[in-house]
Amino acid sequence: GDSVTQTEGQVALSEEDFLTIHCNYSASGYPALFWYVQYPGEGPQFLFRASRDKEKGSSRGFEATYNKEATSFHLQKASVQESDSAVYYCALSDPWAQGLTFGLGTRVSVFP
Amino acid sequence: NAGVIQTPRHKVTGKGQEATLWCEPISGHSAVFWYRQTIVQGLEFLTYFRNQAPIDDSGMPKERFSAQMPNQSHSTLKIQSTQPQDSAVYLCASSFPWGSTQYFGPGTRLLVL
Repeated sequence: GDSVTQTEGQVALSEEDFLTIHCNYSASGYPALFWYVQYPGEGPQFLFRASRDKEKGSSRGFEATYNKEATSFHLQKASVQESDSAVYYCALSDPWAQGLTFGLGTRVSVFP
Repeated sequence: NAGVIQTPRHKVTGKGQEATLWCEPISGHSAVFWYRQTIVQGLEFLTYFRNQAPIDDSGMPKERFSAQMPNQSHSTLKIQSTQPQDSAVYLCASSFPWGSTQYFGPGTRLLVL
């Protein structure tokens, strides 16, 4: 079945640091790829998506590029703020199975 | 736009009791999804409705769990004879059909004692 792997379980940064979270996927079809962010006590919030190879998704300073050859969709942000502290999830949606397959999430903690 | 509404936000049940969780999708969205979130398993897909019809329940446990969507404005997830291992956050999401972005509600935190 489909799967998503996030390499980093936890990341600790200082404000203005550069953030990278690695996401790799395995899917039988040509999936759409997503990043969601979750704050305590809330459901996952949609950050952005990409649906085809080489497409870049972005929102709120975060970005990721769909790389079909490398089966990756790595999240980056150039300068993080304390308010970016949250859990970030990479996910995919297979065209034949509409439910999302999520990675295990990466907890990002940004310190002033 | 109110977003996806889930009630109750918290529910505590005793082992063996029934739990019913409610979801109101975003107005105009015809696809509704249910997910379960635990520390160990993370976010897991349970089931999916499109235009009120059940489309995919491949993630639903075969026993004790059922979901319905009697009208376009709400869906329910019912767990019969709850067990401690059912303790989790149950999330509902809605979207336009055919691969559109899913938007999540705040979840219902279920605790089975």
